[in-house]
Amino acid sequence: KQEVTQIPAALSVPEGENLVLNCSFTDSAIYNLQWFRQDPGKGLTSLLLIQSSQREQTSGRLNASLDKSSGRSTLYIAASQPGDSATYLCAASNSNSGYALNFGKGTSLLVTP
Amino acid sequence: EAGVVQSPRYKIIEKKQPVAFWCNPISGHNTLYWYLQNLGQGPELLIRYENEEAVDDSQLPKDRFSAERLKGVDSTLKIQPAELGDSAVYLCASSLTGAREQFFGPGTRLTVL
Repeated sequence: KQEVTQIPAALSVPEGENLVLNCSFTDSAIYNLQWFRQDPGKGLTSLLLIQSSQREQTSGRLNASLDKSSGRSTLYIAASQPGDSATYLCAASNSNSGYALNFGKGTSLLVTP
Repeated sequence: EAGVVQSPRYKIIEKKQPVAFWCNPISGHNTLYWYLQNLGQGPELLIRYENEEAVDDSQLPKDRFSAERLKGVDSTLKIQPAELGDSAVYLCASSLTGAREQFFGPGTRLTVL
């Protein structure tokens, strides 16, 4: 079964700083990798989806990369803002498991003013 | 376009009571997922539907959990009887097909007393 690990578990940065969240997965035969944001008591908001054939995806201040050979993905957040404070989850899907998402435990991000 | 709708948002019940959760996916999405999220953990798949067919229910505790997706649109997840350990957030997600980006609803937070 695909195992997904996220480090760090928690991160606190001052406003304006650039930061990187890390995600690793055990089965490199992924179909796609998705990054989500979860605010307290809320559902998951999809941020970026990277297909296995892609190396990176960008949306605004967010950039996600994918390196299948090393089993790693990173989420880069530029010029962080207090509104970015949330839990960030990465999830990998594999074709041999019906494309269901296997999630990490998330990184809890706090951006302080 | 409306997102994934779930109800109720919160539910508190006594142990051994039955409970049901409802999900309305994004219009046109053929694939529907139910995930379970425990506190501090990433979501875990319970069941996946392709149209009205449950194609992956290997993680669904069938002694007490059941689900249905009549007519391939709305879905209901039921627990009978509920146990203390069932307290969690139940998330519904949908995608155009199993291989595409998944979109999540706000979840139902269940508390079993």
